Amino acid sequence: NAGVTQTPKFQVLKTGQSMTLQCAQDMNHNSMYWYRQDPGMGLRLIYYSASEGTTDKGEVPNGYNVSRLNKREFSLRLESAAPSQTSVYFCASRTGENTEAFFGQGTRLTVV
Amino acid sequence: DQQVKQNSPSLSVQEGRISILNCDYTNSMFDYFLWYKKYPAEGPTFLISISSIKDKNEDGRFTVFLNKSAKHLSLHIVPSQPGDSAVYFCAASVWAGSYQLTFGKGTKLSVIP
Repeated sequence: NAGVTQTPKFQVLKTGQSMTLQCAQDMNHNSMYWYRQDPGMGLRLIYYSASEGTTDKGEVPNGYNVSRLNKREFSLRLESAAPSQTSVYFCASRTGENTEAFFGQGTRLTVV
Repeated sequence: DQQVKQNSPSLSVQEGRISILNCDYTNSMFDYFLWYKKYPAEGPTFLISISSIKDKNEDGRFTVFLNKSAKHLSLHIVPSQPGDSAVYFCAASVWAGSYQLTFGKGTKLSVIP
């Protein structure tokens, strides 16, 4: 049982480049989330998707876009990467009710 | 405005003793609370949760206490083990069109052998 799978695990981008972080879950969860973790800042919500076909902004959405491709997949796109987007990104999924969320292993992104 | 606060960035405890991690929240609408544990280079893993209708939940060495009037929860680990050394995140959930999950900044626990 893979749970939540994120790709890639590591990425280095140059300022202005674009890329998409992929996330897939095999637990038939309705809700999916993208967080970023920065030193001393905890986990901050970027975007979330309550169900297939819906997406909403979280606490720090600027510079990002998302797509809920289907129930399994939720991608995060950086259109024009900036050094401030250097971070560790985590995808999570949840049934959609008040239960625990399951996290992927993270993507460490460096923008130079 | 930070809705979930973990005011202690770090905590050191001797092996075998009790570890107490604290968390405060400001949104009285939060109705479900969770604790996550995170090792370096790994994703957070769920540890224990509590509904707002309860004041205590226990799972093995881990107990979470909720004081709604004080908007405070705590995680007790007894006895602490070196393998418990990790960053612990407090999280809170509320319905706002969907169930959002808000995290604190984390507390790094070091259990000294």
